[in-house]
This record gives sequence, C-alpha cells and structure tokens, in this order.
Amino acid sequence: AQKITQTQPGMFVQEKEAVTLDCTYDTSDPSYGLFWYKQPSSGEMIFLIYQGSYDQQNATEGRYSLNFQKARKSANLVISASQLGDSAMYFCAMREPFYGQNFVFGPGTRLSVLP
Amino acid sequence: ETGVTQSPTHLIKTRGQQVTLRCSSQSGHNTVSWYQQALGQGPQFIFQYYREEENGRGNFPPRFSGLQFPNYSSELNVNALELDDSALYLCASSQGNEQFFGPGTRLTVL
Repeated sequence: AQKITQTQPGMFVQEKEAVTLDCTYDTSDPSYGLFWYKQPSSGEMIFLIYQGSYDQQNATEGRYSLNFQKARKSANLVISASQLGDSAMYFCAMREPFYGQNFVFGPGTRLSVLP
Repeated sequence: ETGVTQSPTHLIKTRGQQVTLRCSSQSGHNTVSWYQQALGQGPQFIFQYYREEENGRGNFPPRFSGLQFPNYSSELNVNALELDDSALYLCASSQGNEQFFGPGTRLTVL
C-alpha cells in the first residue's frame, strides 16, 4: 500500500495567489514526522517544512504552512502569495517512527506558477 | 545551499560496469542516507549510515553497497550496472529532525 499519496500530478496557480498541495499518508505508528520538499529542475531537494505527529500547532515557515489534520492523516502544504520561482516539483515525505531510518516520499506534484 | 556536496554531477557508464558516487555531509551531521530517484518519481531509500555503520536499508539488491568514513563523508557503490540503474542519486545528511540533500549525481547506464 502507498504510504504517501499525492493525488495532484500537476497544479497551476496564478502569481500572487495561494495554492494548496495535497498529501495523505498511511501509518499505524503514533510517532512520525512529515516533511515537504521542493525540487526545482536542477534536481536538488530543498527542505521546506516539518510537522511532528505530536505537534499541537500547524507548522509555518515564511510563505509555507502545513495544514495538519491528524485524524484524516492529511498534511497539505499551503503556499501563500505564489512566486514564479515556486514552479517546481513538490514532494511530501514521512519518517516513521519519529527517529526512523528512512524517509518515504510521495510521487510528487508539479506546480506551475503563471505570470 | 545545504553544505552537502556530491560528486560527480553527471556520469555515463555501460551495463555491467561498476560505479562509485561520493557525498560530503553537512558539518556536524553524523548520518548519511542515499536515495535513488528515477525519472518522474519520488526518491527511493537505498540505505543509511550512522557513525560508519549501515543503519537501515531499503529494497535494493546487495550490488548496492556503501561506506561511511570517520569524517562522515560517504560513498555509494553499484556493481554490475543495469539499464534500470539510470537515475538521479541523492545523498542526504541529517541530525535530529532535519535532513538536507545534496545536488545529486545523475547516472546514465547505456
């Protein structure tokens, strides 16, 4: 079974608008971490934001926020005020247990920001 | 930039050959993980090294092997290359909750 599901292969957003990228996950472990990474065409994975399963508040990092709904096992990334430089692949990833050895990545969503 | 470096950036090999990819971890990070990312897919975990010992392995055959050195830099070795080994190979160093990736090595097997 897929551990991480990203149902949007591609998304378009107008510059300066907000966009939500979906991520659902599957785990039976109560302790896990959720991550979002951005991968531009250059290939490097850029860390964006982290949410721990026990964190009470949704994580925020600048224009990025994570809408964490634990009961629904969802961890959507919200990008506010999109910029042209936000065009890239976005990957949701999970590490279980909390200090587990490996990250499981979703298939990714390609975001295109339109001028 | 994350401080994680990888070499070489690109590599072309033929089927059956062997390859060694290198990674220098971010200062202070004692854990290095390697991932394979095929075109159009998310990264797949190969293995992780912690203080020079393998600390976990994904679903990859034994011809994928690695090393970690006392300075925490690492190598990924792949023997008997197959066409399906063509991919972007990403190294990541981590400490606690954070995991930072290098720019990757793009391997093409002909």
